[in-house]
Amino acid sequence: NAGVTQTPKFRVLKTGQSMTLLCAQDMNHEYMYWYRQDPGMGLRLIHYSVGEGTTAKGEVPDGYNVSRLKKQNFLLGLESAAPSQTSVYFCATRVDSGLGDEQFFGPGTRLTVL
Amino acid sequence: AQRVTQPEKLLSVFKGAPVELKCNYSYSGSPELFWYVQYSRQRLQLLLRHISRESIKGFTADLNKGETSFHLKKPFAQEEDSAMYYCALRRGIYNQGGKLIFGQGTELSVKP
Repeated sequence: NAGVTQTPKFRVLKTGQSMTLLCAQDMNHEYMYWYRQDPGMGLRLIHYSVGEGTTAKGEVPDGYNVSRLKKQNFLLGLESAAPSQTSVYFCATRVDSGLGDEQFFGPGTRLTVL
Repeated sequence: AQRVTQPEKLLSVFKGAPVELKCNYSYSGSPELFWYVQYSRQRLQLLLRHISRESIKGFTADLNKGETSFHLKKPFAQEEDSAMYYCALRRGIYNQGGKLIFGQGTELSVKP
């Protein structure tokens, strides 16, 4: 089992370009999350999904869109990249097993916007 | 607003010394608290959760609601403990999808 995978691992964009980050999971988890990690700020939630066909905003959703057309995939889109979106992006999944259930993280995507 | 604070960016200790990574939170309800760890070139993974009251790799953490703290402790640090440690809070498994609110992280460096 691959667990949680992210594509691509690295990307450099110019301001104004668009791209899509793919998160894929083979664990049949209902919940999926996109976080961004910036120095000194920990991880912050961008968007999340509680199941196929659903998405919702997190703490820092501006400039991003998401889609969950298939249960195993959660896509994060940047329509017009800005330097402020330079960050490391992490996808995570969770199965609802009650109190204390954990999130499983992908390896991250390092994005630089010039 | 809910917040998790890890006051130390970097904690450097010698092998065999005790370790305490501090975590304080602000939340008026009953939180779930977690410690996640990221070893070099590995993905973020769960270390322990307060609900289990467990010891993992020699680490323990006790939730102190009076002091709103969830400090991570280990009596004798090992070199392989060197990593980035994140404290995280969850307000409920259905609150915003059970999202985690992370602290800023503490880098632990254990010297030989």
